[in-house]
Amino acid sequence: AQSVTQLGSHVSVSEGALVLLRCNYSSSVPPYLFWYVQYPNQGLQLLLKYTTGATLVKGINGFEAEFKKSETSFHLTKPSAHMSDAAEYFCAVSGAGGFKTIFGAGTRLFVKA
Amino acid sequence: GAVVSQHPSRVICKSGTSVKIECRSLDFQATTMFWYRQFPKQSLMLMATSNEGSKATYEQGVEKDKFLINHASLTLSTLTVTSAHPEDSSFYICSARGGATTDTQYFGPGTRLTVL
Repeated sequence: AQSVTQLGSHVSVSEGALVLLRCNYSSSVPPYLFWYVQYPNQGLQLLLKYTTGATLVKGINGFEAEFKKSETSFHLTKPSAHMSDAAEYFCAVSGAGGFKTIFGAGTRLFVKA
Repeated sequence: GAVVSQHPSRVICKSGTSVKIECRSLDFQATTMFWYRQFPKQSLMLMATSNEGSKATYEQGVEKDKFLINHASLTLSTLTVTSAHPEDSSFYICSARGGATTDTQYFGPGTRLTVL
């Protein structure tokens, strides 16, 4: 069975500050991990993903995430927040062989000027 | 690459009518398509999974006779909400998986359905 927990339904940062969105997962198979971003009234856009290989994954818009198996975590970071980063972020887990993708509850990121 | 479109983006209909939403993969062949429903300020709820040429697999609690899903080709899936009622008003999002990236789902922009 697989599950995803996103710690913090809301995160607020100042423009230029570090963004850290937390995601922990559980999976009975080697996980595939994803971060998606959703802007109001839009679909989900893939930010980055981890399947195999390098555990530090870089995505679009300056975001990156690190897969830590020992901590069952896949936290999303960005060194310097921009106003345009304000959105809803979803962490998701699946696995090889067509496992269903399970989404976390989402974290809304607010960026203050 | 990996673009998914949905049509319409918004639809308003009267109670009792049926509404069809289309989901297309524009630059890859989607062997699997997914339909989600999203309530305000909530995560995505998977409604059903469809493989091209096969009957859709519905999640528990989703009425298959109310939400008809057809995946007739590798680039098109449709969701028909039959006899819609106000409680069916929601944001419906499709996603597709296939082509060179079978490990990743790509999402459409969503369809806002309002039933009066």
